[in-house]
Amino acid sequence: NAGVTQTPKFQVLKTGQSMTLQCAQDMNHEYMSWYRQDPGMGLRLIHYSVGAGITDQGEVPNGYNVSRSTTEDFPLRLLSAAPSQTSVYFCASSYSLDRKNTGELFFGEGSRLTVL
Amino acid sequence: GQQVMQIPQYQHVQEGEDFTTYCNSSTTLSNIQWYKQRPGGHPVFLIQLVKSGEVKKQKRLTFQFGEAKKNSSLHITATQTTDVGTYFCAGMDTGRRALTFGSGTRLQVQP
Repeated sequence: NAGVTQTPKFQVLKTGQSMTLQCAQDMNHEYMSWYRQDPGMGLRLIHYSVGAGITDQGEVPNGYNVSRSTTEDFPLRLLSAAPSQTSVYFCASSYSLDRKNTGELFFGEGSRLTVL
Repeated sequence: GQQVMQIPQYQHVQEGEDFTTYCNSSTTLSNIQWYKQRPGGHPVFLIQLVKSGEVKKQKRLTFQFGEAKKNSSLHITATQTTDVGTYFCAGMDTGRRALTFGSGTRLQVQP
């Protein structure tokens, strides 16, 4: 099983450019999410989805868009890149995530983005 | 919003010494999860605690969930170099269907 696959692994952008980070999972998980990781700040939630066609904002959604047209895919779009978006981005999925049934998160290997 | 704090931020130990990281939430948690991230890697799930006062062991790792379900700890007995990495706790966000992660404790083990 591939699990959670993220592409690209590395990307360098210039300020103002747009790009899409791809995330795909083959575990038939309903729940998918995007986190960013910055030194000393842990993992901060950008957006999440509890199923196809449903998305919601996390802690730090500004400057990012998501969509969930299929169960498998959850792309993250940077509309106009800024140096503050330089970070490592992780996609994570779970079979379920709510108070009654909290499954573990399966993470992709990460995408390291640098914005100049 | 909900905050999950972890201490210490960093700890450097000699191989064979014990290590503990503490996690505190500003709100009562329905459950808590722990993850380990090796340098350059991605977070990997270790365990989930659900019940008040719960204690679980995985070999040299002991996990505890506080009686009030607002704090948790991870204790490693006799650290090894393979324990190097950052350990995160995570609790269900009060307002979202999402996990809020602590800032992590980075463990360095000197051989």
